[in-house]
Amino acid sequence: DAKTTQPPSMDCAEGRAANLPCNHSTISGNEYVYWYRQIHSQGPQYIIHGLKNNETNEMASLIITEDRKSSTLILPHATLRDTAVYYCIVRVGTAGGTSYGKLTFGQGTILTVHP
Amino acid sequence: EAGVAQSPRYKIIEKRQSVAFWCNPISGHATLYWYQQILGQGPKLLIQFQNNGVVDDSQLPKDRFSAERLKGVDSTLKIQPAKLEDSAVYLCASSLEPGSNSPLHFGNGTRLTVT
Repeated sequence: DAKTTQPPSMDCAEGRAANLPCNHSTISGNEYVYWYRQIHSQGPQYIIHGLKNNETNEMASLIITEDRKSSTLILPHATLRDTAVYYCIVRVGTAGGTSYGKLTFGQGTILTVHP
Repeated sequence: EAGVAQSPRYKIIEKRQSVAFWCNPISGHATLYWYQQILGQGPKLLIQFQNNGVVDDSQLPKDRFSAERLKGVDSTLKIQPAKLEDSAVYLCASSLEPGSNSPLHFGNGTRLTVT
């Protein structure tokens, strides 16, 4: 699996946009970028995923660079409840090998939203 | 839809005792995963099932850990005998067929403390 690099921590003011970067310079053509977050004492929660096009849902937007070597998760109006650890993960998207389907988590970014 | 159910929520045992965790995945999800999350780290995959067959158990300490998914639905993870370093949160996740690129959905885990 391709490895990802994320800053260990970030701060954001409530109501402002939170932009969480992720580097995945060794990503392969069949690997998707997934974002999860984990709030204290809960399991990881799926946020969004994409292959090469930008994606948006009710939670966030995902911007993937044209060369696919990096991406940014955008929370457009951060709230205190968005304080969590955010994980950027690349995942094999098609059958093949023992890494098929699973998610390999790194250390993630601790996002703290301040009042 | 109902989420991934796990029980118990908490468990405290002494070292060398045995313990079992139970997981009920989302209905219709063929793939089931067990992850171990040690405090301060990201989740680490222990075992992945496709229906009732094992796809990947390369990170499972097989001398003490075992898991089964007999009817392709519920799953149990067992530790016998437990060691102090097994203290962690054990997370269960499920997803549709891997080729569908459907996200993994996680339960809230079982927090195990070994004393």
